[in-house]
Amino acid sequence: QSALTQPASVSGSPGQSITISCTGTSSDIGGYGYVSWYQQHPGKAPKLMIYDISKRPSGVSNRFSGSRSGNTASLTISGLQAEDEADYYCSSYTSSSTLVFGGGTKLTVL
Amino acid sequence: EVQLVEYGGGLVQPGRSLRLSCAASGFTFDDYAMHWVRQVPGKGLEWVSGITWNSGSVAYGDSVKGRFTISRDNAKNSLYLQMNSLRAEDMALYYCAKDQYYGSGMGFAFDIWGQGTMVTVSS
Repeated sequence: QSALTQPASVSGSPGQSITISCTGTSSDIGGYGYVSWYQQHPGKAPKLMIYDISKRPSGVSNRFSGSRSGNTASLTISGLQAEDEADYYCSSYTSSSTLVFGGGTKLTVL
Repeated sequence: EVQLVEYGGGLVQPGRSLRLSCAASGFTFDDYAMHWVRQVPGKGLEWVSGITWNSGSVAYGDSVKGRFTISRDNAKNSLYLQMNSLRAEDMALYYCAKDQYYGSGMGFAFDIWGQGTMVTVSS
């Protein structure tokens, strides 16, 4: 199972919105509603930000939103803040009953 | 406090075995599936294995299938990963993660993570 494709890096200024894409296939993102997004700060464990494509766990800011179109999922962060600077990973359930992660995207807040 | 604590990592020679453990607290352990996820320092996340609440179903990533075995002891609130025939490419920080879905299956969304235990494979 190949990793999902994410841009290596994205950047934005405080207050702006950014979107991170995550491209897979019909055997993962396009075929199932089990797409999640994780935030990871340096030296820390990942934190669940979005699950089931667009649902937010309790306690996660509503500045974070998820969507899907075809085989591509997206994470949008609005009102960018300095503390949003981190690595972001997408993941998806697959037709092999396994999980695949994206390669990760480094978000820089300018 | 909801917590996962991994231990058992260390330095091991290629071809040898190692068993990781994960102690859970602060939630009803046997209500949830559990998983192992690994990360080479500075690199991305890789799902390793998952197990349902009652051990009725297990799953593995292609890179570890046939070499690693996941198990759990609900009486001890513990998750395990038996790693055999270790290779240099297995060297990583291994995280224990709780599935956020209550019930019988594996939902593959992880709402609680431990801090990880490092496995180094080198002669």
